[in-house]
Amino acid sequence: QKEVEQNSGPLSVPEGAIASLNCTYSDRGSQSFFWYRQYSGKSPELIMFIYSNGDKEDGRFTAQLNKASQYVSLLIRDSQPSDSATYLCAVSGYSTLTFGKGTMLLVSP
Amino acid sequence: DGGITQSPKYLFRKEGQNVTLSCEQNLNHDAMYWYRQDPGQGLRLIYYSQIVNDFQKGDIAEGYSVSREKKESFPLTVTSAQKNPTAFYLCASRPPGRTDINSPLHFGNGTRLTVT
Repeated sequence: QKEVEQNSGPLSVPEGAIASLNCTYSDRGSQSFFWYRQYSGKSPELIMFIYSNGDKEDGRFTAQLNKASQYVSLLIRDSQPSDSATYLCAVSGYSTLTFGKGTMLLVSP
Repeated sequence: DGGITQSPKYLFRKEGQNVTLSCEQNLNHDAMYWYRQDPGQGLRLIYYSQIVNDFQKGDIAEGYSVSREKKESFPLTVTSAQKNPTAFYLCASRPPGRTDINSPLHFGNGTRLTVT
């Protein structure tokens, strides 16, 4: 059974700070990794995806992947109150995605 | 406007009744999925289908059934055999020819089912 682990939080950061969200996975053969944002009562929306070791940047978001440590993270720079949501890490298998339980992020004004 | 439509948004049923959740997509995606989400939990896979007239069980298929008669449609039936059916149900799809490992899922807006 593939596992994806995330700290449930909440992670509280002040507005303008960097939020760091972490995820570990059990299947060493996993090759694709996704971060979704989910507002309360809404469906998940894709923020970032990463396939290769290293960093991938998109605006205020940076995804980091370390396959040797089986670790993927999401950094949010200049955090805004509108970033307050649950962030889901997902790892791709052959035909499906396995999701972590998500980390709740709270950004205070 | 392309997307995935789930209906209804809210659904209420009495215990012991079967209920069918609708999922329609006009994205021309081959693969479709049903996930269930409980409060404070991640998404758990119920069923998925990579092609018309074919589908596979996910991690928590017991008490559920699906059909895939058309590419655009993947309805989920929650049967009376499902012990704890109250949950948020999410339908998703993947782009055509991209059922491999590098493709993200696109989600519908979800159906919140309450069984009393």
